Amino acid sequence: QKEVEQNSGPLSVPEGAIASLNCTYSDRGSQSFFWYRQYSGKSPELIMSIYSNGDKEDGRFTAQLNKASQYVSLLIRDSQPSDSATYLCAVNTSGGSYIPTFGRGTSLIVHP
Amino acid sequence: NAGVTQTPKFQVLKTGQSMTLQCAQDMNHNSMYWYRQDPGMGLRLIYYSASEGTTDKGEVPNGYNVSRLNKREFSLRLESAAPSQTSVYFCASPSSRSSTDTQYFGPGTRLTVL
Repeated sequence: QKEVEQNSGPLSVPEGAIASLNCTYSDRGSQSFFWYRQYSGKSPELIMSIYSNGDKEDGRFTAQLNKASQYVSLLIRDSQPSDSATYLCAVNTSGGSYIPTFGRGTSLIVHP
Repeated sequence: NAGVTQTPKFQVLKTGQSMTLQCAQDMNHNSMYWYRQDPGMGLRLIYYSASEGTTDKGEVPNGYNVSRLNKREFSLRLESAAPSQTSVYFCASPSSRSSTDTQYFGPGTRLTVL
């Protein structure tokens, strides 16, 4: 069974700090990795995608992928209270169906 | 361009009642998906449709049926609602049927079964 694991949190960080969110996955054939942000009562929205090993930066967000260790992480620099949300990791696995498997999400709280 | 739309936004049912959740996308995508989200459980796939005229079961299909009416619309039906089906339901449509596709989500339907 293909699994995507995340610490449910909550992860609490002060405003201006770096928030680090982690995700591990079980299927070594996984090819695409996504981070979604979900505000309370809202639908998930894509914030980052990464497909190859290494870092990918987009503004205050950096996604890191290590396929050998089967983990993907999301760093949020200069965290703001508006970043407070649940962050969902999603993995598209191999095999032709390309149906993503979602983690249970990590709740992030950024306090002033 | 509304993206993915869902109706209704909220619904309260009694045990045993039936209802249909509607989803439509105007992005000309081939695939559409139905998820449910429960506290602490993440998003779980109920059914999906890879293209018009095809549907397949996901992780948690029991108690649900689906219809891919046309390329735009994908409905989810609860024939006899149970309290265990109390959840938030999201319809989603990926941008393309490839390993790099991302999911575009509708606003969700909050369903309570009493």
